[in-house]
Amino acid sequence: DIQMTQSPSSLSASVGDRVTITCRASQSISNYLNWYQQKPGKAPELLISAASSLQSGVPSRFSGSGSGTDFTLTITSLQPEDFATYYCQESYSNPFTFGGGTKVEIK
Amino acid sequence: QVQLQESGPGLVKPSQTLSLTCTVSGGSISSDGYYWSWIRQHPGKGLEWIGYIYYSGSPYYNLSLKSRVSISRDTSKNHFSLSLSSVTAADTAVYYCARGGRYGSGRGGYYFDYWGQGTLVTVSS
Repeated sequence: DIQMTQSPSSLSASVGDRVTITCRASQSISNYLNWYQQKPGKAPELLISAASSLQSGVPSRFSGSGSGTDFTLTITSLQPEDFATYYCQESYSNPFTFGGGTKVEIK
Repeated sequence: QVQLQESGPGLVKPSQTLSLTCTVSGGSISSDGYYWSWIRQHPGKGLEWIGYIYYSGSPYYNLSLKSRVSISRDTSKNHFSLSLSSVTAADTAVYYCARGGRYGSGRGGYYFDYWGQGTLVTVSS
């Protein structure tokens, strides 16, 4: 199985901060990488697919980049509603592994 | 707007079979190109893809669960179902159903764009 390692596992930030979350795959997955946001007690929501393609309705402050093994999710100006846990997911091969998550907390 | 809703028992005894149904509204599970999926999340942990049933009816499973998993559908009721046999406490999780799509023409490219609210299933005697 492909292993997906997210870092950091948690971070504290203030409203307006720029936040960067990293996801590393154990082997090359081309651009087969998705990002999700999950709030407590809720289902995950798809933010970005194909490493950098923003889903309809997702604010433009979210962006994704990378290919191969290293990927980044960036939030350019953190808003109160962005405090949540973020997961990457490889969609290259079965079992389409999710990363361990990055919890973004209020500083 | 597609909506998905999980239903089924919240408590299952060890060694028994977990059975859940996902009812879809706002779209047909026979619609071209979608992968109707089950994903679970162990308490306080990350997410694990269980499998999907393609719009054509073909299932595909997580290889680590394949011997215990079955996903089926009833197009007349516009729902699809999960069966997980021989459950243990390790199968305690929130189970989500989701609609999957796919980008590109290569081997992968799956994403999950609509999700149910999730249902907690506890395995305990």
